[in-house]
Amino acid sequence: DIQMTQSPSAMSASVGDRVTITCRASQGISNYLTWFQQKPGKVPKRLIYGASSLQSGVPSRFSGSGSETEFTLTISSLQPEDFATYYCLQHNSYPLTFGGGTKVEIK
Amino acid sequence: EVQVVESGGGLVQPGGSLRLSCAASGFTFRSYWMSWVRQAPGKGLEWVAKIKPDGSEKYYVDSVKGRFTISRDNAKNSLYLQMNSLRAEDTAVYYCAAGESFGYWGQGTLVTVSS
Repeated sequence: DIQMTQSPSAMSASVGDRVTITCRASQGISNYLTWFQQKPGKVPKRLIYGASSLQSGVPSRFSGSGSETEFTLTISSLQPEDFATYYCLQHNSYPLTFGGGTKVEIK
Repeated sequence: EVQVVESGGGLVQPGGSLRLSCAASGFTFRSYWMSWVRQAPGKGLEWVAKIKPDGSEKYYVDSVKGRFTISRDNAKNSLYLQMNSLRAEDTAVYYCAAGESFGYWGQGTLVTVSS
């Protein structure tokens, strides 16, 4: 099974900060990597697919990069509505696996 | 407008069974891979099962193999999850998700396994 190691697991940041979240795959997954945002009590929302393609309607301050084993989600200027938990997902091979999540909290 | 609506959750005793349903609209259901994803209370996301558009291929996480069965009815734009031999650790919100990288999600249905 492919393990997805997400870091950090939690972080505090201020509005306007640049935030970077990393997902490392235990083996190469090409670009079969998706990023989700989940707010408390809400449904996960896809932000980035194919490692770097921005989902329609998602603000351009979100971006994704990487391939094979190292991936990053970057929020260029954190906004109040961005405080949430972020998850990565690999869908290169079965079983599909999510990262453990990164909770972004207000500093 | 895309709509994905799960139903069928509830309280069940350990060892019991439950069948979840997911009704989809607003996209070409028969062309989409479909999955079930669950989230235990206060925990992260866990992929459970996935089915090919024509139903010919099905994949499961190890912890549910032999107990859960994913199926679909393209004529009814519906996805199902038959869950047997339920355990306390299956307690979670179960989401239906559409697409290879889960572009569309339902609101989820809560399954509680407890005596």
